[in-house]
Amino acid sequence: DGGITQSPKYLFRKEGQNVTLSCEQNLNHDAMYWYRQDPGQGLRLIYYSQIVNDFQKGDIAEGYSVSREKKESFPLTVTSAQKNPTAFYLCASRPPGLAKNEQFFGPGTRLTVL
Amino acid sequence: AQSVAQPEDQVNVAEGNPLTVKCTYSVSGNPYLFWYVQYPNRGLQFLLKYITGDNLVKGSYGFEAEFNKSQTSFHLKKPSALVSDSALYFCAVSRSGAGSYQLTFGKGTKLSVIP
Repeated sequence: DGGITQSPKYLFRKEGQNVTLSCEQNLNHDAMYWYRQDPGQGLRLIYYSQIVNDFQKGDIAEGYSVSREKKESFPLTVTSAQKNPTAFYLCASRPPGLAKNEQFFGPGTRLTVL
Repeated sequence: AQSVAQPEDQVNVAEGNPLTVKCTYSVSGNPYLFWYVQYPNRGLQFLLKYITGDNLVKGSYGFEAEFNKSQTSFHLKKPSALVSDSALYFCAVSRSGAGSYQLTFGKGTKLSVIP
């Protein structure tokens, strides 16, 4: 997990509330990613960012929002529009260059909606 | 579109026996292929990757994988399993070339090594 931190480790949310998950990296990586992990479904891409002030929707972006104001930071907001937000959320980053470089993952945040 | 299939949800193997975790992929053009491991409530750890060259790739913790283009497979192997290898394993694919930024993951295979 080295170089990428996610906070908090566990997060509880009431229905109707927005919550923001933090992701910070000190690896000087340009690209950053947010994934959602549900049991038996693997990882699904929510959003990704290749450079500061730019980001693209992934496969399941509805109900989520992101920002990329700094190279080191890529926070994810889970909005009240996300119908089933309970999941394990993983942030990742990747070194500059082509897709041949592997992604580095943070330790994850487990979000539970009460 | 690119996709990954891991046909086994769970693989059980006795300690000391060889293990194989299967992966097949679909991608346009040449693939970049990756294996990751995840321990409970943790992030993913990179094991190995195939980019080009030798079809047999060696990685961390004694794992290796063989790229087979004709069968579009990239199976993960280890000659002698350890109890500590018990974890969730993910295969992932990306297409080569400019503008390729996304990894597509399989659904994962839970490996249980029995003492």
